[in-house]
Amino acid sequence: EVQLVESGGGLVQPGRSLRLSCEASGFIFNNFFMHWVRQAPGKGLEWVSGLSWNRRSIGYADSVKGRFTISRDMKALHLQMNSLRPEDTALYYCVKGEGRFDDMSDAMDVWGQGTTVIVSS
Amino acid sequence: SYVLTQPPSVSVSPGKTASITCGGDNIGSENVHWYQQRPGQAPVLVIFYDSDRPSGIPDRFSGSNSGNTATLTISRVEAGDEADYYCQVWNASTAHLVFGTGTKVTVL
Repeated sequence: EVQLVESGGGLVQPGRSLRLSCEASGFIFNNFFMHWVRQAPGKGLEWVSGLSWNRRSIGYADSVKGRFTISRDMKALHLQMNSLRPEDTALYYCVKGEGRFDDMSDAMDVWGQGTTVIVSS
Repeated sequence: SYVLTQPPSVSVSPGKTASITCGGDNIGSENVHWYQQRPGQAPVLVIFYDSDRPSGIPDRFSGSNSGNTATLTISRVEAGDEADYYCQVWNASTAHLVFGTGTKVTVL
């Protein structure tokens, strides 16, 4: 079974850091584009960042550029979040790219259940 | 930045057809994907590359894309189709991956 399991969320003060991780199983992780997508309470979906399997293609939303860093190793996707702000409060989903073009235009075909980040003093 | 506009809500009776639009500048030149999100659950891909259906998605779900509007159509609507629906594109010219504003489908 294809599965993505996020971890690392929690309550953090503004200005502090947090590192999210996503363990993948059931597919060849190193063959696919991966993304982080977030959803603030009661709001819509917002793409955060994406990274290709070979790390050559990387992108960030303007709202997190310069503060968040996406990375991956053999089995997991990570999101280092620095200088956190209250508006970063959200459920963060790890998402697999579908793979047709192996780029940012691919659909997102597998979603984890998410990990919650709350930024508050 | 690139903006995708959806109607906030659509109401439909069981057995009827629901159409959800996604408006964007020349969206017809982009690959459009659609996601269904039921309350308390993660999103699920229901249509990709404008009109393709992933395995396991009923053929009641269909999509089209032309000009400045993409459309998700749900035929023979069932109670289980009640959910939020989001369109999504990668806009290469602005290098932005964008989700639509979302549409809540209510089955009457």
